Amino acid sequence: AQSVTQPDIHITVSEGASLELRCNYSYGATPYLFWYVQSPGQGLQLLLKYFSGDTLVQGIKGFEAEFKRSQSSFNLRKPSVHWSDAAEYFCAVAPGETSYDKVIFGPGTSLSVIP
Amino acid sequence: NAGVTQTPKFQVLKTGQSMTLQCAQDMNHEYMSWYRQDPGMGLRLIHYSVGAGITDQGEVPNGYNVSRSTTEDFPLRLLSAAPSQTSVYFCASSPVPASYGYTFGSGTRLTVV
Repeated sequence: AQSVTQPDIHITVSEGASLELRCNYSYGATPYLFWYVQSPGQGLQLLLKYFSGDTLVQGIKGFEAEFKRSQSSFNLRKPSVHWSDAAEYFCAVAPGETSYDKVIFGPGTSLSVIP
Repeated sequence: NAGVTQTPKFQVLKTGQSMTLQCAQDMNHEYMSWYRQDPGMGLRLIHYSVGAGITDQGEVPNGYNVSRSTTEDFPLRLLSAAPSQTSVYFCASSPVPASYGYTFGSGTRLTVV
């Protein structure tokens, strides 16, 4: 069965420090991969996505993610965290272009930022 | 451009009551969906639609109904509310195909007592 795991439930980093949020998926082929961010009391916002080509993708707000097929991972990174990055981050996987009913979201990683 | 608009933002229901959560998008997206978000469980798909007149069930459809009479609107109906339906509900839309990624509404926090 398909699955998405985010091993870290909660991460705390200092402002200005680098950040890496982990995402692993279980699926036979290369899926479509997404990262979303949810600020408190808000809906989810798409940060970036990958479905082919360069394995390092750039997103909004200075985030990037790297797809590693051998590790079935799609980790999110940011070189220098800002206090406004404190939020919940969700990794999501879609098996294909039209598999709307099979989009799976991970459980989320909550990020706290220390001033 | 309003994006995806959900109403109400908050709602308290008594067990057994019915209600409709509204969702409207102004981006002419063909795909719309409803998710519920519960602590530690991420988002779970309730129902989705790939166009007007077409709906299908997701992972957790029991206790919910949907219809899609127009491209813009995708209401979610709770037929007889139960405490297990206490959750935050999100509506999302996307162009076809799904690889574009979703645009989410700001959510409806529902409490069933």
